[in-house]
Amino acid sequence: GAGVSQSPRYKVAKRGQDVALRCDPISGHVSLFWYQQALGQGPEFLTYFQNEAQLDKSGLPSDRFFAERPEGSVSTLKIQRTQQEDSAVYLCASSLEGGGLYEQYFGPGTRLTVT
Amino acid sequence: AQTVTQSQPEMSVQEAETVTLSCTYDTSESDYYLFWYKQPPSRQMILVIRQEAYKQQNATENRFSVNFQKAAKSFSLKISDSQLGDAAMYFCAYKSNTGKLIFGQGTTLQVKP
Repeated sequence: GAGVSQSPRYKVAKRGQDVALRCDPISGHVSLFWYQQALGQGPEFLTYFQNEAQLDKSGLPSDRFFAERPEGSVSTLKIQRTQQEDSAVYLCASSLEGGGLYEQYFGPGTRLTVT
Repeated sequence: AQTVTQSQPEMSVQEAETVTLSCTYDTSESDYYLFWYKQPPSRQMILVIRQEAYKQQNATENRFSVNFQKAAKSFSLKISDSQLGDAAMYFCAYKSNTGKLIFGQGTTLQVKP
């Protein structure tokens, strides 16, 4: 079956522009996670959804970052007034459930470059 | 807060040989889960192996096995009979029941033919 997909794969934004990154999780997966991965580093947690409920947004770096999952499937991560420090790969992952040994399946990521 | 440390930025192994990647973590929780993920260049992150903290028996998946030392908070990955396709960045990750993964800095593994 299809895995996690993300679009766009690459995004170049001028500083100050707003961007929207999309994640299509695996069908039936209740949990959805967003991570930010700087070049050569490990991913860092941004936010977590269980169905449409955003249960944890403790990793969002500023109020310029906003995520939603209105119907409990597709999710969008929005970054307003992008800054150069926002340049990174944004990874989406989904799993059957959030806790326990359930595997998180990762998408290919969206590479955001802010110029 | 939980932290994960991978002290080896780069490792190298000869094809068909064995290599061990180190990982230590810090937590005050008693119930948690540990994972190793592989991220090939420009490709998606995939799960290699996972371990429940309350299970003393070390997990194994074909050529991949872990050495889990709970008291020492150590979770190393052993790759036996290394293959060229094993070349990638490897991440150790910690998960509590909150669900989010906390990753280490990663170890880049080079496999020499």
